[in-house]
Amino acid sequence: DTEVTQTPKHLVMGMTNKKSLKCEQHMGHRAMYWYKQKAKKPPELMFVYSYEKLSINESVPSRFSPECPNSSLLNLHLHALQPEDSALYLCASSQQGLYNSPLHFGNGTRLTVT
Amino acid sequence: DQQVKQNSPSLSVQEGRISILNCDYTNSMFDYFLWYKKYPAEGPTFLISISSIKDKNEDGRFTVFLNKSAKHLSLHIVPSQPGDSAVYFCAAPYNNNDMRFGAGTRLTVKP
Repeated sequence: DTEVTQTPKHLVMGMTNKKSLKCEQHMGHRAMYWYKQKAKKPPELMFVYSYEKLSINESVPSRFSPECPNSSLLNLHLHALQPEDSALYLCASSQQGLYNSPLHFGNGTRLTVT
Repeated sequence: DQQVKQNSPSLSVQEGRISILNCDYTNSMFDYFLWYKKYPAEGPTFLISISSIKDKNEDGRFTVFLNKSAKHLSLHIVPSQPGDSAVYFCAAPYNNNDMRFGAGTRLTVKP
């Protein structure tokens, strides 16, 4: 069982829809991440929250909007997505930073944009 | 710029034999390396790591070797088991918040 929980597992949405992906961890980790993974590609960093503050935004389009309500929760709000945004969206957490502290991933949300 | 490279997209080995997965990196500032394993429909899970002050780290059947002069690391699995069949990612922190991953190697262990 993963200690990082993501919901929903699968999501199909139209290009005009608004939806949200949710992530929760109860390991006391202070950094949380959103990664995007396309088929046969490595995970790519989208956003990092450190101590509930957005510290990295890897030039992600504004149709993706992250939110960190508290240290255990991370949301990704989706609006007006494109079909090329279809991918596996992975949430991860780490104790503080990445040096000597591995990422713990959830099982991801498989997103399909129609 | 892909700073962590896994040039073999797939590897097939017989059960009980050794699996060797390779990874090269270009950024000489990397000083901590990790291997992750990913099963279908699951997120990557941390497997083993190595600091640049070491050249070997062992955990049960899994051993990671680091050759800093060659900017190369490898993961050895001995003996390989069918349950080890998965995609393996090599990774390194680019900074305190950004983990860089290789493209992955799909390992198939045949019974």
